Amino acid sequence: EVQLQESGPGLVKPSQSLSLTCSVTGSFITSNYWGWIRKFPVNKMEWMAYTSYSGSTSYNPSLKSRISITRDTSKNQFFLQLNSVTTEDTATYYCARGYPGIFFDNWGQGVMVTVSS
Amino acid sequence: DIVLTQSPATLSVTPGESVSLSCRASQGIRTSIHWYQQKSNESPRLLIKYASQSISGIPSRFSGSGSGTDFTLNINRVESEDFSVYYCQQSYSLPLTFGSGTKLEIK
Repeated sequence: EVQLQESGPGLVKPSQSLSLTCSVTGSFITSNYWGWIRKFPVNKMEWMAYTSYSGSTSYNPSLKSRISITRDTSKNQFFLQLNSVTTEDTATYYCARGYPGIFFDNWGQGVMVTVSS
Repeated sequence: DIVLTQSPATLSVTPGESVSLSCRASQGIRTSIHWYQQKSNESPRLLIKYASQSISGIPSRFSGSGSGTDFTLNINRVESEDFSVYYCQQSYSLPLTFGSGTKLEIK
């Protein structure tokens, strides 16, 4: 069974960086695609980035100047860093496994991140 | 970016009714649309891939159709566990985008 688990701080101050980890069990991140998606209040979902089985990356242009997705294959984890956060980055952040396409067939439980001073 | 417009925003139904949820794309996307269900306080669950392809473990009452710009998620005889929010997502081009969701609620 594939399981993904997000971890990271639930509160970040404005202008600081948001860093999240996704730990994967039941599947190797050297196969498929692995992405970050966030959900804002009032049902808006936004794809942020993904990393592929080969380590290539793709970013949402709306975030491209602030975002980085990396991975550690030895730990079967991948990471999100979002710089210069504002209150508008307050959301629930999900990591998910993607298939070529790309659609997401397995999701983590999500971590709520609040940006506030 | 491809904009996905879901309608209606909210749909109030009685258990046992059959419903159709709409997702319209701002340009043709062939069949590159995927549907998710998200229950309150849970993560999204993939229901349908590529407009009409079923997913293992998903009840057969869920089905999808459409191509080009107009897509539909059908739920045959809604059950109590189906009351949640439904999203469509396109994978035709980057950036991947989601619709704003349809909330299925009990009448």
